[in-house]
Amino acid sequence: AQSVTQLGSHVSVSEGALVLLRCNYSSSVPPYLFWYVQYPNQGLQLLLKYTTGATLVKGINGFEAEFKKSETSFHLTKPSAHMSDAAEYFCAVSGGQGAQKLVFGQGTRLTINP
Amino acid sequence: KAGVTQTPRYLIKTRGQQVTLSCSPISGHRSVSWYQQTPGQGLQFLFEYFSETQRNKGNFPGRFSGRQFSNSRSEMNVSTLELGDSALYLCASSLLRGRSSYEQYFGPGTRLTVT
Repeated sequence: AQSVTQLGSHVSVSEGALVLLRCNYSSSVPPYLFWYVQYPNQGLQLLLKYTTGATLVKGINGFEAEFKKSETSFHLTKPSAHMSDAAEYFCAVSGGQGAQKLVFGQGTRLTINP
Repeated sequence: KAGVTQTPRYLIKTRGQQVTLSCSPISGHRSVSWYQQTPGQGLQFLFEYFSETQRNKGNFPGRFSGRQFSNSRSEMNVSTLELGDSALYLCASSLLRGRSSYEQYFGPGTRLTVT
């Protein structure tokens, strides 16, 4: 079984500040981990993924995430927030024979203050 | 390359009716998955189809069904609609080959309202 916990349903940062969105996962098989972003009235856009190999993965729009197996974490960061980053962010896990079945966290709404 | 398309974008139905939603995957993608998004339950996996076969199924009642056609287009059907079926239904497609394996690309969704 797999599960995802996103710490903080709402995160607010100032423009130019560091963005840190936390994600912890549970998986009985080697996990594939994803971060998606959702803007209002839109579908989900893939930001980045980890499957195997390098544990620090870089994605679009300046985001990156680090897979830490010992901490079962996959936190999302961006050095400098931009107003356009305001959206809802979802962490997801899959893996094994059900690799196409994404299990999502509850989401974190990111607000950027000017 | 065109993205995942879903039709219709918005739908209003009455309790007890049935509904069919359509999804066209990205060209060349053969796997299609469906998800339900609600404020209370979040994003939940419904089912996945590959080569016209259902490979994975989530924990939803039998009123929810789907199919995939030979051109990879997929439909999902919900029969005997309930108020709780009001949700955003998202379709995602995957290439399942090479470095893009397991990446799922989502459509804009169909917003279903049941009254």
